[in-house]
Amino acid sequence: DVKVTQSSRYLVKRTGEKVFLECVQDMDHENMFWYRQDPGLGLRLIYFSYDVKMKEKGDIPEGYSVSREKKERFSLILESASTNQTSMYLCASSPGQGHTIYFGEGSWLTVV
Amino acid sequence: GDSVTQMEGPVTLSEEAFLTINCTYTATGYPSLFWYVQYPGEGLQLLLKATKADDKGSNKGFEATYRKETTSFHLEKGSVQVSDSAVYFCALGNAGGTSYGKLTFGQGTILTVHP
Repeated sequence: DVKVTQSSRYLVKRTGEKVFLECVQDMDHENMFWYRQDPGLGLRLIYFSYDVKMKEKGDIPEGYSVSREKKERFSLILESASTNQTSMYLCASSPGQGHTIYFGEGSWLTVV
Repeated sequence: GDSVTQMEGPVTLSEEAFLTINCTYTATGYPSLFWYVQYPGEGLQLLLKATKADDKGSNKGFEATYRKETTSFHLEKGSVQVSDSAVYFCALGNAGGTSYGKLTFGQGTILTVHP
């Protein structure tokens, strides 16, 4: 089975803190994604990566950055957390175009 | 750009009732279409998919048919169970250009099934 693991399920951070959300997949997938899920808005793509050290902005990249130093790991970084970044963050991976995307269990981030 | 519109929820049904969740899309080219399900406290998991017009995806009693003429991919189940209570997301993946397989999601529909 494909496994996408997000290291933190629940986090509480203070405004202005730097936050790292880590994601690891074990299936040698080329593509990895970070989505944000908010009620009534569905999932919105923040960033994605199609290869090591390669990244592309999604629909809502402002206030976020990413890092992919190894194929299996894709990190989401909030440089200076703000309360409007309180949300559920979902990491996902896929082997390529037209293939199923596999999701992690999500990380609930609260910024106070 | 690509977009997905789902029927507004929440949807509340009694056990064994018939379920339809509407999904329509706007996309260039020939997208693949997906339904994902999210059970309470969990991430999303693929429920079913269809990759070309007139394809029918099915899984766990759920079905959806890719209708290019109406740009729709409605989810149906003949007899829902309490265990089907979850959030359902319709999504499209456009294989063209530099999409890299990313998906565009609808807003999600909350389904609650009562005994």
